[in-house]
Amino acid sequence: DAKTTQPNSMESNEEEPVHLPCNHSTISGTDYIHWYRQLPSQGPEYVIHGLTSNVNNRMASLAIAEDRKSSTLILHRATLRDAAVYYCTTNSGGSNYKLTFGKGTLLTVNP
Amino acid sequence: NAGVTQTPKFRVLKTGQSMTLLCAQDMNHEYMYWYRQDPGMGLRLIHYSVGEGTTAKGEVPDGYNVSRLKKQNFLLGLESAAPSQTSVYFCAIHSGGPYTGELFFGEGSRLTVL
Repeated sequence: DAKTTQPNSMESNEEEPVHLPCNHSTISGTDYIHWYRQLPSQGPEYVIHGLTSNVNNRMASLAIAEDRKSSTLILHRATLRDAAVYYCTTNSGGSNYKLTFGKGTLLTVNP
Repeated sequence: NAGVTQTPKFRVLKTGQSMTLLCAQDMNHEYMYWYRQDPGMGLRLIHYSVGEGTTAKGEVPDGYNVSRLKKQNFLLGLESAAPSQTSVYFCAIHSGGPYTGELFFGEGSRLTVL
């Protein structure tokens, strides 16, 4: 699984878009990119995943660079409830499916 | 929490004591995981299981043992607890395809070793 690098913290204002970056320069061609987030005092929760194409769901959008060495999680309108630690991770999948998480990015949302 | 139950939720141990954390799922998922999380750190994978009767080591397996005798339950044991094992422990299950899918996490078990 590729090593990922994320900023330690980011700050945003409520109702503004947030772009959370992640570098995964050693990603292989079959590795998926996954994003999870962890709200205070809770277990992590799934946000989104993708392989090559950009992805959208009700929570966020995932923009994947053409060379796949980086990706960006986009929250279109941040709310106070989006304040959390966001984790980017990759996984090659298959019969040995497991995810490893780094320290993530602590997102602070200002009212 | 998608049917992932961890017990106990809180426990205080003395150094050298043993204990077992139980993760139970009410579904039929093959893959289960134990993670630990320390202050200011991300989650680190301790052990995981890809099916009943199987276990495998993660990033930080030392000092822990696991068992998956029944598909629904994944047990994490500490034979001789140490203060370095003070942490919040999260169990997770994998739901979905082999290359994608999602991990669903339990609420966590906070363990303090004195």
